[in-house]
Amino acid sequence: DAGVTQSPTHLIKTRGQHVTLRCSPISGHKSVSWYQQVLGQGPQFIFQYYEKEERGRGNFPDRFSARQFPNYSSELNVNALLLGDSALYLCASSWDSPRQETQYFGPGTRLLVL
Amino acid sequence: AQSVTQLGSHVSVSEGALVLLRCNYSSSVPPYLFWYVQYPNQGLQLLLKYTSAATLVKGINGFEAEFKKSETSFHLTKPSAHMSDAAEYFCAVNSNSGYALNFGKGTSLLVTP
Repeated sequence: DAGVTQSPTHLIKTRGQHVTLRCSPISGHKSVSWYQQVLGQGPQFIFQYYEKEERGRGNFPDRFSARQFPNYSSELNVNALLLGDSALYLCASSWDSPRQETQYFGPGTRLLVL
Repeated sequence: AQSVTQLGSHVSVSEGALVLLRCNYSSSVPPYLFWYVQYPNQGLQLLLKYTSAATLVKGINGFEAEFKKSETSFHLTKPSAHMSDAAEYFCAVNSNSGYALNFGKGTSLLVTP
């Protein structure tokens, strides 16, 4: 079975631009989470969506937004890009969202903001 | 808030030696704990997880971890390191809400011949 897939794999943008990152969860998984991993740090939680509704939001500005589609895929949008948004963006899926559920991660999208 | 602290940002072991990566947690409720591994330029792969069923948890690739409530620890071990174990290792705990994983800063494991 295919794992979590993300596109694109790499992206270069300039400050002030907008970016959209995409994620397809493992088949049958209804929950998608997004994380930001800055170089040398652990991933930081951005959002979780379950059945197309936002279940949780991390400490990120409103420039970050996301949505989940009827097929459970998801998009992460970042507006007005800053240099500090350069990071690896990871998507994770799980069947549900209780505390003990395992989150399975995709390979990530590496974003560079110049 | 639920959090984890990984002691040692870099650990170096010889091939065949014991691997010990340390993780301590802080939690106001019984925690669910995870260890993930990240190889260069890749995403995170689950090694093992603790969900209160058993204090000694066995994972993939010969890794295991023991939950010790008295020490608030969940250290990761492997009896004999292999060159292919060189990677970044992250300990994580579920947040109070359950929606997020709170990760440690990671430990980079180097395996020398």
